[in-house]
Amino acid sequence: AQKVTQAQTEISVVEKEDVTLDCVYETRDTTYYLFWYKQPPSGELVFLIRRNSFDEQNEISGRYSWNFQKSTSSFNFTITASQVVDSAVYFCALSEAAGTASKLTFGTGTRLQVTL
Amino acid sequence: GAVVSQHPSRVICKSGTSVKIECRSLDFQATTMFWYRQFPKQSLMLMATSNEGSKATYEQGVEKDKFLINHASLTLSTLTVTSAHPEDSSFYICSARDFGTVQETQYFGPGTRLLVL
Repeated sequence: AQKVTQAQTEISVVEKEDVTLDCVYETRDTTYYLFWYKQPPSGELVFLIRRNSFDEQNEISGRYSWNFQKSTSSFNFTITASQVVDSAVYFCALSEAAGTASKLTFGTGTRLQVTL
Repeated sequence: GAVVSQHPSRVICKSGTSVKIECRSLDFQATTMFWYRQFPKQSLMLMATSNEGSKATYEQGVEKDKFLINHASLTLSTLTVTSAHPEDSSFYICSARDFGTVQETQYFGPGTRLLVL
């Protein structure tokens, strides 16, 4: 069975601080996909990144960066120089290999609060 | 990026009535759509997988007669909460998988907040 663990329930930082959100996953599949979504107070889920299990390259997109470590089954997300607008709940998710029913297994989410 | 809409965004209804929620993929075709439920400060729980032209697949513990799903076209799936009760009050959110690519990405709608009085 698949499982995603986000051990950090809530994180509070001051603007301009860097923050890392942890994600650890479990799966028996050799091919899988990892995702991060942002859920601001309005409720919609915003897609941030998708990474497949064969691509261990880290990725940077502006202030966001992701560290995929297959050896430790982790897919951590770092926000550099955080801003108030980054305040949201962030979900890490895992899906099995390609197919017509690629279900997403979500972690419990990490609530990030960025204050001035 | 792909856009998914949901309607209505918020609905208040009386206990015993039925409520229909629409999920549309606006700029892509989606053979598969997913319906999730989210309680306050909790994660998303998959309710069912909706496949165009066939019956939906429900997760364990989800009553298919209570939550009717219809996926009549490649851009529209509907969730009907039948005979709603206060315990059905929740945030319902759909997602759609882009049929036109091999990308395994689900794009989410803005969600529907249901309050049953």
